[in-house]
Order: sequence, then C-alpha cells, then structure tokens
Amino acid sequence: GAGVSQSPRYKVAKRGQDVALRCDPISGHVSLFWYQQALGQGPEFLTYFQNEAQLDKSGLPSDRFFAERPEGSVSTLKIQRTQQEDSAVYLCASSLAPRGSGGSPVQYFGPGTRLTVT
Amino acid sequence: AQSVTQLGSHVSVSEGALVLLRCNYSSSVPPYLFWYVQYPNQGLQLLLKYTSAATLVKGINGFEAEFKKSETSFHLTKPSAHMSDAAEYFCAVSYNNNDMRFGAGTRLTVKP
Repeated sequence: GAGVSQSPRYKVAKRGQDVALRCDPISGHVSLFWYQQALGQGPEFLTYFQNEAQLDKSGLPSDRFFAERPEGSVSTLKIQRTQQEDSAVYLCASSLAPRGSGGSPVQYFGPGTRLTVT
Repeated sequence: AQSVTQLGSHVSVSEGALVLLRCNYSSSVPPYLFWYVQYPNQGLQLLLKYTSAATLVKGINGFEAEFKKSETSFHLTKPSAHMSDAAEYFCAVSYNNNDMRFGAGTRLTVKP
C-alpha cells in the first residue's frame, strides 16, 4: 500500500526566500507530525495535527515556520525568509490513532525533504 | 520528561559479527520504545517496537531488542551482520501520547 510521501525531495533556497514542503500521509491516518532532522542528529519534533487541527506547535523554532492541514489529509510546512540554520531534512510522519489514545503509537515516516539554504 | 541516549555515534563491525547498538531511556513511567533504521536519503523505517507485551522483541531483518527495566535499556542486537545492515539506527521513546523523542542515532558500518 501507499506510504507517506513528501515533495519535493530536495529543495535549494537562497537566504530570505520562502519555501513550502508538502506531505501526503497514509490515507485515513488521523495524526500527522513534522520533524526537523539536522545533519548527524535524530529527528526533532516540530508540530502535530489531529485531523485538521494543529494541536501542538511547541517545536516550531520561530514564527517563520508555519504548518497547515486544512482538510485533514495533506499538510504543508512553510518556512518564510529562510535562514542558513534552517538547512535540514524535514520529515513528515503519520499515525492511525489520535495522540493520547493509548496503544502502541507507531509513526510511519516519509522520505523527507532535504532543504539547503545558501 | 522522557529522553533517549544512544551510546556510540558510530559502530563498526565485520560481516558476520554480532551487532550491538545501545539505547538507554529515561522515563518516569513505563514507556513505549522503538528502533528505526534510516538508509541514505530515505525516511525512517520501523525495525521493532516494545509495548510491554514481551521484554524480548523481534523485528525485521533479524534484529531484536530486549527491554530491561532495571537497566532502563533497550539495546538492539543482531547475531550476524550483513553488508546491507549498514545504515543509521535511531532509538525512540514515547509514552501513550504519540510524542516521540529520538536519540541522536548510531551509524553502523559493516566491513567485508
């Protein structure tokens, strides 16, 4: 079956440009997560959606980062006025159950978007 | 607060040798624990997960991990390394809320 897909796979932006990264989660998955993975590091949580509601954005590093999931399926992470420190791989993950519903919360990851800010 | 520590950012083994990747967690309550593998330019793929049903968990590709509460550990092992096992491995912890905290990762190199 189809997994989580992300586009573009690679993005090069000049400092100051805006970028938009897309995530298509597994169909029917309620939960959607965005992570930032710096070179040589593990993924760091950015934000969480339950359907269309953004319930947690505590990991967003600045107000230049904005995410949406208007219809509860596809999500877009937007970074305004990109800076060099934004260079990283941005991973999207989806999970069947809502956060906090118990059980074993397996997250399924997409291939990521590698953003390079020059 | 929950966190994960992976001891050793880089592990190198010979093909056919035992693979041991270490993970220790800190959590105030029994956690869910996961091992993910990441091949170059790919996303994370779930290897195995611990959900309190059994302390020894078997995963894909011959990997297994043992949950040891007394040591707060969840080390990943494989009896015999294969060249195709070369990748980055991440241990992660979660408690009931889908928030996942990852370790910094261990890069496994397999020598012929």
